[in-house]
Amino acid sequence: DAGITQSPRHKVTETGTPVTLRCHQTENHRYMYWYRQDPGHGLRLIHYSYGVKDTDKGEVSDGYSVSRSKTEDFLLTLESATSSQTSVYFCAISALGGGNQPQHFGDGTRLSIL
Amino acid sequence: SQQGEEDPQALSIQEGENATMNCSYKTSINNLQWYRQNSGRGLVHLILIRSNEREKHSGRLRVTLDTSKKSSSLLITASRAADTASYFCATEDSGGSNYKLTFGKGTLLTVNP
Repeated sequence: DAGITQSPRHKVTETGTPVTLRCHQTENHRYMYWYRQDPGHGLRLIHYSYGVKDTDKGEVSDGYSVSRSKTEDFLLTLESATSSQTSVYFCAISALGGGNQPQHFGDGTRLSIL
Repeated sequence: SQQGEEDPQALSIQEGENATMNCSYKTSINNLQWYRQNSGRGLVHLILIRSNEREKHSGRLRVTLDTSKKSSSLLITASRAADTASYFCATEDSGGSNYKLTFGKGTLLTVNP
């Protein structure tokens, strides 16, 4: 299995609080991705990174920010969490971008915002 | 917006039977991938097929791609209870950013013992 660790695995927090999710990889892959998974919507891309300090928006980026200060870590921040951001968040990595190689996924963070 | 759409949304079969899932997409693609997701876990890559390929095999898996119909199918032969999972197709658009995959909503496969 690819070395991807997401933390925390579960989190419950209140509306309006800041939340940071961490994705850590040991594969030295260039590309990292944050997705959210919701019933009826499947997997949707939030933000992705194509190198240290190189990030871009995905399909559902509003309300989220990311940072990548080193190859192995990709952080997802909800500046002021809302109930609509209750979801399961997945981090993925790949050596090459797009569909050229498989993406490898972490086991997700289940986030509940009350 | 969703590029790939899997069909059916849910499929229930008996162990030993074959399972076929379909994926349709809207725009031209470079590649198409299939993933499996067990309950409570992340997605696991199964197979990648490029736009110039028509069929690929991996163990009990067979994937076909018809670019003229903008569709792909995943066949699992001689299914097992352990194949119970959700299956997703993902596409890389030929005209868009080459960094991203777009995932469908998935097919939930239940294999009954």
